[in-house]
Amino acid sequence: DAMVIQNPRYQVTQFGKPVTLSCSQTLNHNVMYWYQQKSSQAPKLLFHYYDKDFNNEADTPDNFQSRRPNTSFCFLDIRSPGLGDAAMYLCATSRRAGYTDTQYFGPGTRLTVL
Amino acid sequence: AQSVTQLGSHVSVSEGALVLLRCNYSSSVPPYLFWYVQYPNQGLQLLLKYTTGATLVKGINGFEAEFKKSETSFHLTKPSAHMSDAAEYFCAVMSQGAQKLVFGQGTRLTINP
Repeated sequence: DAMVIQNPRYQVTQFGKPVTLSCSQTLNHNVMYWYQQKSSQAPKLLFHYYDKDFNNEADTPDNFQSRRPNTSFCFLDIRSPGLGDAAMYLCATSRRAGYTDTQYFGPGTRLTVL
Repeated sequence: AQSVTQLGSHVSVSEGALVLLRCNYSSSVPPYLFWYVQYPNQGLQLLLKYTTGATLVKGINGFEAEFKKSETSFHLTKPSAHMSDAAEYFCAVMSQGAQKLVFGQGTRLTINP
């Protein structure tokens, strides 16, 4: 089945130790998104790629970076995780940005910062 | 700017009862509206969406929602709740020309046996 895959599902890191989260998709969608979802809160968009074009949200901290080496893969890098970065990180894809195209979500990676 | 308000962070109904989850939106242009469901430790899954045309939209798992422009609402309903409906539900809005979804705070639905 075509899908959005996130690895790992659970990630534990130490305060200030860089961490990378991975997302891959078999849908061949043009757009890939990264959301941060803290406990009992709505998902918050961090950034998205439309093909190779990177679109950062204005309020996304510089501590968060992303890479998309090819259509299928997208990575979220947190350079120096703080305790406040503990959250579920959701990857999503869509065929186009905006319009009414459905966003397909992966299962998420739950990040714990010690 | 777009925004979404979900009334009630927690809704509890009995199995077999009507489910009603409320969503109001704010948008300066005609919106696209979505309902997503999130089961524990999983990603979000689209239940239904309104784009244009018929204002009553039917989705998966027996859910439906009605777009009411005069009330700026997009409430989600299901005639008869099932235990498997227990989850978090998110309403979201996207304005035409925008490139991102704006989510409400979510409503946790609990089903009592």
